[in-house]
Amino acid sequence: NAGVMQNPRHLVRRRGQEARLRCSPMKGHSHVYWYRQLPEEGLKFMVYLQKENIIDESGMPKERFSAEFPKEGPSILRIQQVVRGDSAAYFCASSMSRDLGGYTFGSGTRLTVV
Amino acid sequence: GESVGLHLPTLSVQEGDNSIINCAYSNSASDYFIWYKQESGKGPQFIIDIRSNMDKRQGQRVTVLLNKTVKHLSLQIAATQPGDSAVYFCAENIGSGGGADGLTFGKGTHLIIQP
Repeated sequence: NAGVMQNPRHLVRRRGQEARLRCSPMKGHSHVYWYRQLPEEGLKFMVYLQKENIIDESGMPKERFSAEFPKEGPSILRIQQVVRGDSAAYFCASSMSRDLGGYTFGSGTRLTVV
Repeated sequence: GESVGLHLPTLSVQEGDNSIINCAYSNSASDYFIWYKQESGKGPQFIIDIRSNMDKRQGQRVTVLLNKTVKHLSLQIAATQPGDSAVYFCAENIGSGGGADGLTFGKGTHLIIQP
């Protein structure tokens, strides 16, 4: 039973390029959460999705960032026209229900913008 | 500002001693708290949680204490081992029944185990 799978583990993008981060939740989990972690900081909530629906995107920057969780396939966090300040670790978590105790995190994608 | 914070960025303890990691939160509406452990290069790993209707909860070698009067949370690790070296985060949720969306994390305490 694989855990939450995120890929790529490391991603390097030049300023202005697009970054696409993928998250496959644990089997049977239909709730996905994305968090961002800056160096030496705690995680910041970005967005909560269920299959085909964005439930809460209160932590998402208003521009350039979008997320989806299609009926089939992984959840995607997309960052358009990346800037240096987007460099961070992006973590995905999944759960079977909205019970936060059942949250399982992936190992993250470390985005570096050069 | 941060809703959840930690008192110390680094805590150094001797192997075999007990560790106590503290956390202060500011929102009295928070009703669900979790401690996570994060090792270098990995995602946060759930350790233990507690709801606001409790003041203590025990797990294997870990105990979480919640003092709602002073809005303080602590994680006690008994007989600290080298494998306990990591950054520890407290996180809170504001919402009824713990089902609200997203957690608010503190900045973390780096626990260092001295041989």
